[in-house]
Amino acid sequence: RKEVEQDPGPFNVPEGATVAFNCTYSNSASQSFFWYRQDCRKEPKLLMSVYSSGNEDGRFTAQLNRASQYISLLIRDSKLSDSATYLCVVRGVNTGFQKLVFGTGTRLLVSP
Amino acid sequence: EPEVTQTPSHQVTQMGQEVILRCVPISNHLYFYWYRQILGQKVEFLVSFYNNEISEKSEIFDDQFSVERPDGSNFTLKIRSTKLEDSAMYFCASKGTATYEQYFGPGTRLTVT
Repeated sequence: RKEVEQDPGPFNVPEGATVAFNCTYSNSASQSFFWYRQDCRKEPKLLMSVYSSGNEDGRFTAQLNRASQYISLLIRDSKLSDSATYLCVVRGVNTGFQKLVFGTGTRLLVSP
Repeated sequence: EPEVTQTPSHQVTQMGQEVILRCVPISNHLYFYWYRQILGQKVEFLVSFYNNEISEKSEIFDDQFSVERPDGSNFTLKIRSTKLEDSAMYFCASKGTATYEQYFGPGTRLTVT
């Protein structure tokens, strides 16, 4: 089983739509969770950390379910500029206390 | 806003040559990392560095790789004898002491011919 698993997409949505991405992780000992976004051939950019209580930043809402080992990201009112690959990232998997483990990413295409 | 910088943006080298990739982490950060991303694949951890020593490394980070903090600002990744399969995007990241969030530089695209 992959350490961090995501649906690769692509998700094609019109502007203004709401879209949700899911991610599962294999190790229950994982300690920190993040969503990064990556534009084509660019660096991963931190979008938000994910907390057990759930957290929101503008149009973005992240949820963590530790019991199910499941992380989600909801984007409301999609903009053209949201088109990117969204990376689910987990820290503290197996023996890696410092390292981040990345999923393969979910590609989002927002069209006019 | 402080950011991680990396040089060069693109490096082309011949197989068997040594390359040094350079990074300037965010100035008050003390934890430094290298990751790589082969085209079309996921980002993979290589090594973490704290207090002038390696704190963790992956199976990818074998004897041909080394890291150094030669002065108070630079953090380097050296590949001693490059192979074709080392062709990838190499990202440097840094982290402050009071957070787990890592911030990435723009990357160096390494092409080994």
